[in-house]
Amino acid sequence: EIVLTQSPGTLSLSPGERATLSCRASQSVSSSYLAWYQQKPGQAPRLLIYGASSRATGIPDRFSGSGSGTDFTLTISRLQPEDFAVYYCQQYGPSPITFGPGTKVDLK
Amino acid sequence: EVQVVESGGGLVQPGGSLRLSCAASGFTFSSYWMFWVRQAPGKGLVWVSRINNDGSSTSYADSVKGRFTISRDNAKNTLYLQMNSLTAEDTAVYYCTNWFAWGQGTLVTVSS
Repeated sequence: EIVLTQSPGTLSLSPGERATLSCRASQSVSSSYLAWYQQKPGQAPRLLIYGASSRATGIPDRFSGSGSGTDFTLTISRLQPEDFAVYYCQQYGPSPITFGPGTKVDLK
Repeated sequence: EVQVVESGGGLVQPGGSLRLSCAASGFTFSSYWMFWVRQAPGKGLVWVSRINNDGSSTSYADSVKGRFTISRDNAKNTLYLQMNSLTAEDTAVYYCTNWFAWGQGTLVTVSS
């Protein structure tokens, strides 16, 4: 099983600041199978990034994904008020599919 | 509009069964692998099961293997999850998804 570790656990930032979220895998993940999701309280997750760096339909270009192998990054270039949420990385290659524990981006 | 809508959740006693359904619309359901993901209250996302596009291949998390069965009816654009021998650890919101589209989830509570 591929274990995903996300850091930091909580990121406290102000609107307009840059957010850098990390996802580290216990073994190499094909870049084709690494995704990032955003989840707000009481809502379903929303796909932001798939294939490590491809933005899903309708996702603003302030969201970008990068990385390969065991280290992946989600960057939000300039935080908007609606971006404060929990972010999960996911590998959807070999079963079992696994998610990271999440990074909470909250208001400083 | 792409949409998936889960139903069938509720309160069930330990050892009981439930069948969840997921109605899909706005995309070619028969072309997509489908998945169930659950989220216990206040916890993270956990993959439960997946089924390929024609239903010939399935996979399960170890925690539900032998108790849960995923299936689909492409003629009805519907995904199912039959859940048996439920325990308190199965209490969660269950989401149906193809990764791009997610429903609002259906809450399953296992309690006496």
